[in-house]
This record gives sequence, structure tokens and C-alpha cells, in this order.
Amino acid sequence: DAKTTQPTSMDCAEGRAANLPCNHSTISGNEYVYWYRQIHSQGPQYIIHGLKNNETNEMASLIITEDRKSSTLILPHATLRDTAVYYCIVRVDTGRRALTFGSGTRLQVQP
Amino acid sequence: GAVVSQHPSRVICKSGTSVKIECRSLDFQATTMFWYRQFPKKSLMLMATSNEGSKATYEQGVEKDKFLINHASLTLSTLTVTSAHPEDSSFYICSAHLGYEQFFGPGTRLTVL
Repeated sequence: DAKTTQPTSMDCAEGRAANLPCNHSTISGNEYVYWYRQIHSQGPQYIIHGLKNNETNEMASLIITEDRKSSTLILPHATLRDTAVYYCIVRVDTGRRALTFGSGTRLQVQP
Repeated sequence: GAVVSQHPSRVICKSGTSVKIECRSLDFQATTMFWYRQFPKKSLMLMATSNEGSKATYEQGVEKDKFLINHASLTLSTLTVTSAHPEDSSFYICSAHLGYEQFFGPGTRLTVL
């Protein structure tokens, strides 16, 4: 799995968009970008994933650059409940192997 | 989405005792489940892969005789921490995959006194 780099922490005002960046400059052509988050003292939760096209679901949007070397997770209207550690994970296959978690980005949504 | 449960959610035990943690996939079958450990302010670290009907696969540095894993059915995997010591105090999390997504249990916080 390709290595990812994320900022250690970010703040965001409640109601504003939270944009969380991730660098994955060594990503291979068949590797997907996955995002999970972990709210304090809970198990991680899947957010979204993509290969090369931008993706959107009810939770977030994923913007992947054309060269696929970086991506941004967008929470369009952050709430206090979005305060969590967000993990960007790059991997080849769908899910049969365990996930490798980096340090992630600790997002603090401020009231 | 699919649901993975863990029991107990929290356990406190004395040093030297054994503790069993259950991980269940509630609405799907999982031939493979994963066990992670998370120390305070650290990321999740994979401990082992639990395989239904066969032996678990342990990550380097994880003692298989200390962390016993049994995957007896397609919906249940158990992790037993044998002869627990204070350094085993941690947050233990299991997961199972369904399609492209991995579903995580809520975690079990183990405190060894």
C-alpha cells in the first residue's frame, strides 16, 4: 500500500466546509484512496473511497487530483459530531486485507 | 451498513487473569476478521487476522500464545488475552469486510490492574 501524508491536526468552524488534504505521491494505478474516521473511543467508520474520479456520498466528497498524487476529503457543513481523527488510506484491493492506519488528521470542529 | 459488535465494551481485570473479547458480525458472514490494538493517542495497529476454520495469522511481534484467537463460526471471532499484565491495557478493535468496505466494532477497553 502506498504511503500517505496528512497534517497532524486541523480546526474548522461549525457549519463551514472542512477540507482535509492527503498526499500519496507514490500511488499506483490500481490503488484506491479510502477515507475512514474515528470518533474518540469508537471504532473507525468508512467515509468514502475513489480511484480517479471525484466521488460524493451523503457524508462527504472526495476530490482526487488528475495525477492522483493527492486528494482532499470535503465535509461540506461540518458539525461538532464530525470532530474525529480522519485517516487517508491507499490500497489495492477491495477489502480482504486489513487496513494500515497512519497517524491521520485530528479535526476539531469549533462551535 | 453492516454491523459488527464487540463484547464487552469495557473490562477491568487483575494482573495474571485472562480476558475474552467477542467480535460478532450481526447481519453478514465473515470468513476473515481482523483484530487491532490502539494505545492512547496512537493509531490502530493490526495484531492478527482471524480466519474461520483455520489458524489465525499474527503480525510480527504479537505473541500468539498470549493473544489466543478463535474463529469458530462465520459470525464470531474471539480474542483471549491470557495472563494479562498492565502493559496489555489498551483499546482492542475488531473488523470484518463486506465488499469493498471494512466494518469495525465499537471497541473493547481493557484495563489491567
